[in-house]
Amino acid sequence: GDSVTQMEGPVTLSEEAFLTINCTYTATGYPSLFWYVQYPGEGLQLLLKATKADDKGSNKGFEATYRKETTSFHLEKGSVQVSDSAVYFCALSDHGRKNTGKLIFGQGTTLQVKP
Amino acid sequence: EAQVTQNPRYLITVTGKKLTVTCSQNMNHEYMSWYRQDPGLGLRQIYYSMNVEVTDKGDVPEGYKVSRKEKRNFPLILESPSPNQTSLYFCASSPRAVSYEQYFGPGTRLTVT
Repeated sequence: GDSVTQMEGPVTLSEEAFLTINCTYTATGYPSLFWYVQYPGEGLQLLLKATKADDKGSNKGFEATYRKETTSFHLEKGSVQVSDSAVYFCALSDHGRKNTGKLIFGQGTTLQVKP
Repeated sequence: EAQVTQNPRYLITVTGKKLTVTCSQNMNHEYMSWYRQDPGLGLRQIYYSMNVEVTDKGDVPEGYKVSRKEKRNFPLILESPSPNQTSLYFCASSPRAVSYEQYFGPGTRLTVT
């Protein structure tokens, strides 16, 4: 079945450092890919998305490119801030044969940014 | 304010005592869903609903029930909770199943002793 694999955390960075969180996926159809962010004590919020191969999603300085050839959707940010500390989830949604609307999530990666 | 609300936010209960977690959205969304979040496993879908009176099982439906009598509400029912249902639960909604964003509630942390 479809699945998402993220790099394990926690990831600890200093402010202004470069961030990469790796995400790879397995899907039989043509999935849409997402990054969601969960701040402490809150629900998940959509950070960015890409709906087809070679699309680049971007928001708040974060970017991710849908790479079909490597089945990857790595999250990057050039300069992280303390306020970026959160748990980041990579997810896919396969709008294929049976569209259940289900999001399939990776296990989440905790990012801690120190001043 | 457009939002998904859940109640209660925190609940500690004992094995076998029936409970309901409520979920409500004010965005007129057709699609609603429940997930549970467990360490190292990410989020897994429990049940979903395409529209009023239409519900179906997700990946981990055992031990749970849902109903969708009104468009805005989608309660999660645990008829006889067990310790392995201790988890963080999220309700989500979207305009329809084929949507590119789901809106999540703040979560309900359930502990079953």
